[in-house]
Amino acid sequence: DVKVTQSSRYLVKRTGEKVFLECVQDMDHENMFWYRQDPGLGLRLIYFSYDVKMKEKGDIPEGYSVSREKKERFSLILESASTNQTSMYLCASRETGYEKLFFGSGTQLSVL
Amino acid sequence: DQQVKQNSPSLSVQEGRISILNCDYTNSMFDYFLWYKKYPAEGPTFLISISSIKDKNEDGRFTVFLNKSAKHLSLHIVPSQPGDSAVYFCAAVDRGSTLGRLYFGRGTQLTVWP
Repeated sequence: DVKVTQSSRYLVKRTGEKVFLECVQDMDHENMFWYRQDPGLGLRLIYFSYDVKMKEKGDIPEGYSVSREKKERFSLILESASTNQTSMYLCASRETGYEKLFFGSGTQLSVL
Repeated sequence: DQQVKQNSPSLSVQEGRISILNCDYTNSMFDYFLWYKKYPAEGPTFLISISSIKDKNEDGRFTVFLNKSAKHLSLHIVPSQPGDSAVYFCAAVDRGSTLGRLYFGRGTQLTVWP
């Protein structure tokens, strides 16, 4: 079974802090994604990466950056956390050529 | 502009009855569709998918129907069970596009009551 692991289930940060969300997958997938889920807004794509060191902006990249130095790891960085970044963050991975995404359990981030 | 729409934010159904969740899309290039289920504080899990060359796909209690001319798909759950209570997301992809990203709807909260 594919396993996508997000480093924290719950995280509380202060405004202005730099926040790192880590995601690791164990299936050698080329594609990795970061989404955020907010009530009534569904899953919104922040960034994705189709290969090591490659990245593409999704629909809401402002205030975020990403890093993909190794194939199995995709990090989401909030350069200066703000209260409107309080959300559930979901990482996903996928093999190239296939449509199905495998999601991690999510990180509920609260920015105070 | 949303390319995948789930116009019902919530649906309440009695246990044992049929649940029908609807999804509409605008991009005629979408040729593969997926449904995901999400429980609170967990990541979404894949439920069922359908290719545009089919109009129906079945997996146990779950059936997805696709009407390409209407750009509409629906997920039927029969019979509904309390454990089916979750948020259901519809997703679509254009497999011919370079990166093949999924576009998600906003989700429908299904509540199945005893």
